[in-house]
Amino acid sequence: DGGITQSPKYLFRKEGQNVTLSCEQNLNHDAMYWYRQDPGQGLRLIYYSQIVNDFQKGDIAEGYSVSREKKESFPLTVTSAQKNPTAFYLCASGAGTVYEQYFGPGTRLTVT
Amino acid sequence: SQQGEEDPQALSIQEGENATMNCSYKTSINNLQWYRQNSGRGLVHLILIRSNEREKHSGRLRVTLDTSKKSSSLLITASRAADTASYFCARKVNRDDKIIFGKGTRLHILP
Repeated sequence: DGGITQSPKYLFRKEGQNVTLSCEQNLNHDAMYWYRQDPGQGLRLIYYSQIVNDFQKGDIAEGYSVSREKKESFPLTVTSAQKNPTAFYLCASGAGTVYEQYFGPGTRLTVT
Repeated sequence: SQQGEEDPQALSIQEGENATMNCSYKTSINNLQWYRQNSGRGLVHLILIRSNEREKHSGRLRVTLDTSKKSSSLLITASRAADTASYFCARKVNRDDKIIFGKGTRLHILP
């Protein structure tokens, strides 16, 4: 059963703690993406990766970090440097940048 | 900003009616994509239309693209309660590796 998974669905953290969000895909896609969505808003790109061991900053990368050690996995770390981390985080994958993206179910992060 | 504008921001129609959403953008594109998002869920890809295409259909969905006006529209015919969702357009901009999403249109189908 092919798809893209994110875990956990809900995540709660105290301010000042780093937290890592998981994203795994078995679609054999080269490209993977992380987006942030705030209430009533569109998606803003945090980081993206077009190939293993390489990634680029998106529009709002400050306070976030990623790694792409395996084709299937693209974890996102929300660091304590991120000023407003509470949001809905969406991971996506695609065959390449000119193709459609497949999204995971999202992780809702709440930091208090 | 490279973000496009979806219009309207919100739309409520009776079940069975047609729903039309529009998307405008500023820079030249490689393709334009439409996605649906149910509340609290991930996005689902609906249709991709390339810059050299003018119209595409998929079931009850019809997408048009006018590159001279830098605009696209999504038409949902014979709407159903299950069509209630937010709809986003996303553009693959030329000379850029990213896909840029708009803020979406919230569609509510009334019974």
